[in-house]
Amino acid sequence: LAKTTQPISMDSYEGQEVNITCSHNNIATNDYITWYQQFPSQGPRFIIQGYKTKVTNEVASLFIPADRKSSTLSLPRVSLSDTAVYYCLVGDRRDDKIIFGKGTRLHILP
Amino acid sequence: DAGITQSPRHKVTETGTPVTLRCHQTENHRYMYWYRQDPGHGLRLIHYSYGVKDTDKGEVSDGYSVSRSKTEDFLLTLESATSSQTSVYFCAISESTVNSPLHFGNGTRLTVT
Repeated sequence: LAKTTQPISMDSYEGQEVNITCSHNNIATNDYITWYQQFPSQGPRFIIQGYKTKVTNEVASLFIPADRKSSTLSLPRVSLSDTAVYYCLVGDRRDDKIIFGKGTRLHILP
Repeated sequence: DAGITQSPRHKVTETGTPVTLRCHQTENHRYMYWYRQDPGHGLRLIHYSYGVKDTDKGEVSDGYSVSRSKTEDFLLTLESATSSQTSVYFCAISESTVNSPLHFGNGTRLTVT
């Protein structure tokens, strides 16, 4: 499983766009990039997954450059309820072990 | 939400006693996982299963055992609980398709006194 590096914490304000970048220099050809969100006292929740270029859903966008050595999770117009820990994972199903890093603790301020 | 039920939701037990946590799914997913989460450590994989009777160790498997006798149930057993096993335990499931995401249960808060 490719190792990922994310900022430990970030602060932002309501209504702003928030971008969280994840570095994964040793990503393999078959690896996908997956992001999860975790609120206090809850299990993580799948947000978005991508392989290359850009993926968008109702919650977020995921930008992946051509070299795939990093990815950026973009949350548009955040609200206080977006305060959570965000995890970036890189791998594929052939890696049965799904290992989480420490994630990025995002704090949204009013 | 995916049909995952963890039981019990809360448990307090004494050091040295055996404890079993249960994860039950109604999704017929192949993969099941047990994680523990502690302040400062994030989520750490304990054991996982890739099918009935097929299990393997994760990052922090010492002191834990698992069993999966049927697709829907994945049991985590602490043979002799210690205070260091006080934690929140999460179960997760995923389909067998490549890169299918994990779906988590609501967790079990275990306190070992």
